[in-house]
Amino acid sequence: DAKTTQPPSMDCAEGRAANLPCNHSTISGNEYVYWYRQIHSQGPQYIIHGLKNNETNEMASLIITEDRKSSTLILPHATLRDTAVYYCIVVDYGGSQGNLIFGKGTKLSVKP
Amino acid sequence: DTGVSQNPRHKITKRGQNVTFRCDPISEHNRLYWYRQTLGQGPEFLTYFQNEAQLEKSRLLSDRFSAERPKGSFSTLEIQRTEQGDSAMYLCASSFSTATNEKLFFGSGTQLSVL
Repeated sequence: DAKTTQPPSMDCAEGRAANLPCNHSTISGNEYVYWYRQIHSQGPQYIIHGLKNNETNEMASLIITEDRKSSTLILPHATLRDTAVYYCIVVDYGGSQGNLIFGKGTKLSVKP
Repeated sequence: DTGVSQNPRHKITKRGQNVTFRCDPISEHNRLYWYRQTLGQGPEFLTYFQNEAQLEKSRLLSDRFSAERPKGSFSTLEIQRTEQGDSAMYLCASSFSTATNEKLFFGSGTQLSVL
């Protein structure tokens, strides 16, 4: 079973920031938080990952709480092309083989 | 970087027939994964290879399923005696793994419909 909890759906206005929450209250010290998204009829696409510190790349920012029990993916200026299902995944690459266990994710709808 | 390529994109077959899917990973990637996805669900892990060695298989992978990755390059996933419950999107992903970081690159999948 997935170790994360995400809202099933969210809406966001085009041009505004999309903030997608994820709860991972049982995360262990070795587990990373990864975010992928899946646009309709395509395979999942890697977005960003982090362990303890906040991270930013060209696609998004990842904010991880100090206790690491939750995180937020931020798309700073959402566009219609960001409409997708977003998956938050925790994985331990030091212990397990690191196979990704996907939940149902959050379906983000960006509206004009 | 041509990305992960999967063929065919769509496959329609009759129950009881055998089907084979192919995945061509990104060339320098040492790991290759197979996932299955049904409508409204996230992808489910099936199996993965490190180079040519198949290192893990999910309990979802029944005896009718077999995967190979000869010479650590492309991979094939074969389903024998297909059943209607096998209808799904079959996704392949590849990665170059390190001890602490792994980004999976997914193909667009093969959509299987068993009639």
